[in-house]
This record gives sequence, C-alpha cells and structure tokens, in this order.
Amino acid sequence: GQSLEQPSEVTAVEGAIVQINCTYQTSGFYGLSWYQQHDGGAPTFLSYNALDGLEETGRFSSFLSRSDSYGYLLLQELQMKDSASYFCASRGGASASGGSYIPTFGRGTSLIVHP
Amino acid sequence: GAVVSQHPSWVICKSGTSVKIECRSLDFQATTMFWYRQFPKQSLMLMATSNEGSKATYEQGVEKDKFLINHASLTLSTLTVTSAHPEDSSFYICSAREKTLELAGFSYEQYFGPGTRLTVT
Repeated sequence: GQSLEQPSEVTAVEGAIVQINCTYQTSGFYGLSWYQQHDGGAPTFLSYNALDGLEETGRFSSFLSRSDSYGYLLLQELQMKDSASYFCASRGGASASGGSYIPTFGRGTSLIVHP
Repeated sequence: GAVVSQHPSWVICKSGTSVKIECRSLDFQATTMFWYRQFPKQSLMLMATSNEGSKATYEQGVEKDKFLINHASLTLSTLTVTSAHPEDSSFYICSAREKTLELAGFSYEQYFGPGTRLTVT
C-alpha cells in the first residue's frame, strides 16, 4: 500500500515563500506529483518529479529525495490567488484493484495567504 | 491543452433514484479514465479505473453494483450511482490520461474534470 503525509494547513503572507512537505511510504514508487485545488474546483496538475532534485516552473518548484522518501512544493512570491489546497500524489505500483501507475493522494494541505 | 468535461456540474436527487455522471475528454483520446470521490476538506479517494472497451476495476470497498461505470469510447466514461442514498452525497471527479502520452510511457499526468456535486435528499 501507499500513504502520504503532509501538513493539514499552512499560512503565510503575500510575497512570502512557503514550503509544503510530503513524506511517503509506498510499496512501489515511480514519482511524486503535486496538484492544486481551489474550493469547489477540480485539481490541476502543478509538477512531477521522477528523479531526485529540484524542478522549477515559474513561481512553483518541487523537490524530491528518494532516499529520504520526501518531497516538497515551494511557492515563491505568494499571491492571494495561491490560497488553495495542495495535494502530493505518488505514482506508485499496483493499487488495491491491481492496476498499475495509479496515483495515491495525500490528505492535502490548505494554504492560506494573508494580505 | 487537454480538457476534460463533466456533466452535470451539480445534481440534487431523491433517495432511491439513480444518477448518471458523464466524463468526456474533449480534445484527446483517453485510454484510461479514473473516478474519484471527495468529501469536504478531505483527499481524493480513487473509486475505480475505467479502461475503454473493458470492465472497470474497482478499489477495495467500492460496490461495483452501486457505482456502475461504462467506458464506451476513447472520449467518454459514465458513472451511474444507483439507488442513491444521502451518504452518497459527495463531489465526484473524473480524470483522464491521454492515450498517446500513455503509450509513450509518460502516464503520470492526469487531466481532471471540473467535478460533479451530488446531493441526495
């Protein structure tokens, strides 16, 4: 099975930098994805790390350390519109149904950005 | 970009009735579609994986006779909640993986639909 742990809530002010951590335990692991979800909306894909290191996409960066079973999402120059839930998801092996490459989502981190 | 639509976006139904939710990939072919359920302030829980032309595979604890999934074409999957009860009230989200990306081995990205909010009274 797979489980991912992330903080339930993070608060920060506009313009700041915030890091959302994710630790995982999986029976098989191929990579870590990050998704953003605004209230009432669908998740949108942010980034994916298959290898160790930092991936940068504009204001957002994502990091993975396979040896530590750990990753994080870094958000820079925070804006009010960044207030949302952020989910890490592992691209693991077989799910309970036996399918492969099925992602398992963490519980999500609610990011609250204050003016 | 890849767009996935869902219909309806919200539905209210009476207990005991059935509701069908459609998930369509608008500008790509989807080999695989996933159905998730999300309760307020909680994570996405995978319900089933839908593969075009074959039976859906359900996750543990999901009743296949209650949540009927049909994936009739490479652009359409449907989820029917049969004999709905108030505890089935939830946000149902589908996602799709693009066929060409999946065949090429880049199958990590899912494109999510906007979700369907089901309320059973």
